Amino acid sequence: GAVVSQHPSWVICKSGTSVKIECRSLDFQATTMFWYRQFPKQSLMLMATSNEGSKATYEQGVEKDKFLINHASLTLSTLTVTSAHPEDSSFYICSAHSTSGWSTDTQYFGPGTRLTVL
Amino acid sequence: SQQGEEDPQALSIQEGENATMNCSYKTSINNLQWYRQNSGRGLVHLILIRSNEREKHSGRLRVTLDTSKKSSSLLITASRAADTASYFCATDSGTYKYIFGTGTRLKVLA
Repeated sequence: GAVVSQHPSWVICKSGTSVKIECRSLDFQATTMFWYRQFPKQSLMLMATSNEGSKATYEQGVEKDKFLINHASLTLSTLTVTSAHPEDSSFYICSAHSTSGWSTDTQYFGPGTRLTVL
Repeated sequence: SQQGEEDPQALSIQEGENATMNCSYKTSINNLQWYRQNSGRGLVHLILIRSNEREKHSGRLRVTLDTSKKSSSLLITASRAADTASYFCATDSGTYKYIFGTGTRLKVLA
């Protein structure tokens, strides 16, 4: 099936630093990607919709200046957590919607990135 | 707010038994999907069921959808210890933006 990768798979950083997470669709093009966060033993919460060539659309309550999203190409979206704090520690998962080649009914999820802020 | 509510929140069964999880949602949907997540790992896609479908099967999995009640169920038959995981439903209202349910933590005891 369609493959989505995330890098890094885990990261530990100091409070106040910024962390960039990459999401790539490896064998298909994705004009739309999505970013989710998941706290331990909880469900996935949609943070934002990343649109290639335009600004991301953020869900209510998500700070756009804190979580910077850039969808620079049809296969890459990045999420930058700026000035990270311990409460930003979470599991971040991206997904991509295929526009052709693979099923367009579903999203394809990356393996997730575990962020720990000390 | 999350659209899907899942029931039960946690389920513990013996190997060989069947496990049933339910998902309810609030608005009209285009399709509903079920995912499995092992602890600390990514999501594994299980089944997609469209709004005009009522039942789908895949191996030991059976999914039903009742759009009049805005609910879906996932049945895992003859469960195995390897089925131990969290299971989530996710609804798509046609925008490809998924809203996940609260999840059911399944534990299958050997």
